Amino acid sequence: GEDVEQSLFLSVREGDSSVINCTYTDSSSTYLYWYKQEPGAGLQLLTYIFSNMDMKQDQRLTVLLNKKDKHLSLRIADTQTGDSAIYFCAPGAGGGNKLTFGTGTQLKVEL
Amino acid sequence: DAEITQSPRHKITETGRQVTLACHQTWNHNNMFWYRQDLGHGLRLIHYSYGVQDTNKGEVSDGYSVSRSNTEDLPLTLESAASSQTSVYFCASSDPSGTSYEQYFGPGTRLTVT
Repeated sequence: GEDVEQSLFLSVREGDSSVINCTYTDSSSTYLYWYKQEPGAGLQLLTYIFSNMDMKQDQRLTVLLNKKDKHLSLRIADTQTGDSAIYFCAPGAGGGNKLTFGTGTQLKVEL
Repeated sequence: DAEITQSPRHKITETGRQVTLACHQTWNHNNMFWYRQDLGHGLRLIHYSYGVQDTNKGEVSDGYSVSRSNTEDLPLTLESAASSQTSVYFCASSDPSGTSYEQYFGPGTRLTVT
């Protein structure tokens, strides 16, 4: 089955950029998602990218996809304390079908 | 507003007891999923369903069962609760005819097995 790897923790200062990385094994993944989980809550979709794209920008968020290396990254510009959360990478085949989630990266934003 | 709810939000039970966690969504989504979240493991898929009467095993299905008798509900049953099943459980749903195919998550149920 699919393996999805993320580092567990990332700490940044407020105002800096954060980069969260993800590697996956299934090259047939068509949709690659980033979900955000705030403390005590369920996951919410943050952004996603199609496999035929290299980059997607959405306000402070930039997603980069390297299909050859099966590497996905999420960059958050001007990181704020409200960005403190757990971020999950989840590649999938689309169609609303099952996803494989990474271990999640806990982002801590310090003043 | 359409939503997805889980009940109970917190549950303490004893080893060996049968427990059922409820999940209800009002989006009329065909696809529904159950995950467990444990530190260091992220979210792991327990069972999923792509429609009424359809159920499938995920990567950690041992000791769990589901049934889908209508579109709105996918209850998760722990047949004989074990301490290893202490976890936070999330239910999710998605629309296979959508555009982003986003999964919408419930607020979670924290289960403690003593």
